[in-house]
Amino acid sequence: KNEVEQSPQNLTAQEGEFITINCSYSVGISALHWLQQHPGGGIVSLFMLSSGKKKHGRLIATINIQEKHSSLHITASHPRDSAVYICAVGNTDKLIFGTGTRLQVFP
Amino acid sequence: EADIYQTPRYLVIGTGKKITLECSQTMGHDKMYWYQQDPGMELHLIHYSYGVNSTEKGDLSSESTVSRIRTEHFPLTLESARPSHTSQYLCASRRAGRDEQFFGPGTRLTVL
Repeated sequence: KNEVEQSPQNLTAQEGEFITINCSYSVGISALHWLQQHPGGGIVSLFMLSSGKKKHGRLIATINIQEKHSSLHITASHPRDSAVYICAVGNTDKLIFGTGTRLQVFP
Repeated sequence: EADIYQTPRYLVIGTGKKITLECSQTMGHDKMYWYQQDPGMELHLIHYSYGVNSTEKGDLSSESTVSRIRTEHFPLTLESARPSHTSQYLCASRRAGRDEQFFGPGTRLTVL
C-alpha cells in the first residue's frame, strides 16, 4: 500500500462543475502539498498546508490531520484546469508523492 | 514566481552517450532535489543535497550521479545512457527551515 493515496485516478468534468480530489496518507507529516502538472511536465505548487483550509481563487484545499486526509476543490471548473493534480506529503526533509489525479474539463 | 531552471527541456540521445542535465536556482536555497518520473507514475527522489559539497542518494536507486560545487547549481550526470533511463527528470529546491519546494520545468529524456 502506498503511503499517499489519491482518488480518483482519472476525472472528467464539464466546464462549470465543482470538482473534488481526495488524498489520504499514512505517515506523519510536517506539511501537505498540492501540486499541478501540465502536459509539458513542469510542476507548480498550488498549496502547502499543515492544518485547516486555504483558498486561492477558485481553488480550495482542506486538511484533516486527525483523519490524515486532504481534499482539493475546484469551483466553476474550466478547460484550462485540465492537468494532473498531485498530492505530496512532507516527511522530515523529503516529499512523498501520490500518483496524481488526471483531470480533464470539457467545454 | 519560482526561479529554478532546467536545461535541456527535451533530449533524445543514443545509448552509451554521456549526458548532463543542468539545474540552477537563483533563490539562494540550500536544499536541492532531483526526482525521476516515469509516464503516468509518481515522482521518486533520486538525489538530494543540503548544501555545497553535500550530496545524498534518494529513495529510488539511480545510476546517475550529482555534484554541488556551487549553491545555485545541481547538475545530474549519466555516464552511459541506456533506454531504461528514459524518463522525466525534475529538479526542485527549498530554503532550509521552510517546507515549500519549488520545481523546475523538467527535462524529458529519451534514450534510443
